[in-house]
Amino acid sequence: DAGVIQSPRHEVTEMGQEVTLRCKPISGHDYLFWYRQTMMRGLELLIYFNNNVPIDDSGMPEDRFSAKMPNASFSTLKIQPSEPRDSAVYFCASARGSSYEQYFGPGTRLTVT
Amino acid sequence: GESVGLHLPTLSVQEGDNSIINCAYSNSASDYFIWYKQESGKGPQFIIDIRSNMDKRQGQRVTVLLNKTVKHLSLQIAATQPGDSAVYFCAENIGQAGTALIFGKGTTLSVSS
Repeated sequence: DAGVIQSPRHEVTEMGQEVTLRCKPISGHDYLFWYRQTMMRGLELLIYFNNNVPIDDSGMPEDRFSAKMPNASFSTLKIQPSEPRDSAVYFCASARGSSYEQYFGPGTRLTVT
Repeated sequence: GESVGLHLPTLSVQEGDNSIINCAYSNSASDYFIWYKQESGKGPQFIIDIRSNMDKRQGQRVTVLLNKTVKHLSLQIAATQPGDSAVYFCAENIGQAGTALIFGKGTTLSVSS
């Protein structure tokens, strides 16, 4: 298996622009998680899905952030409009419901100028 | 609020030494704990886990110890190698498998030859 796939790996954008991050979970995994990592706040859970349904989005910073999972093999995290404080590494992780172990993707490094 | 934290942000050891990375947690309801390793530019990678009904679990060169009395978790790495240099995170889960993990801030392990 190729593991969790994220794209793009790096994104540089200007403040106010829309940013879309993409994730393909491991086939057969029914849970998908979006995390954000910064030096100041560490690894924070933003939202997670079970069988394509959002379960907990309490970690989403504000209305500028939205996430979708239209099918079992694809999810997006969108920021509109982006701000410099959104600069971080965004990770997607997936898990099989019977296991606590989460498999992380390589991350997307977002820089908003 | 509930949190998972680390006693030391950095740890430097010589190759061949044993390393001990500590973690304190505050939620007594947590029933599952995981250690992750994150190398530079990569996503966190699962190392070892332990359930709250255990106090010790061993893997290949790694041992996790859990002391529920003082809410303390540690990761021991035997015969530390340069390839072990990374950031190590402890994470806890208070729900069922497949639900969210709460991550600590991480400890940076540096191994010199």
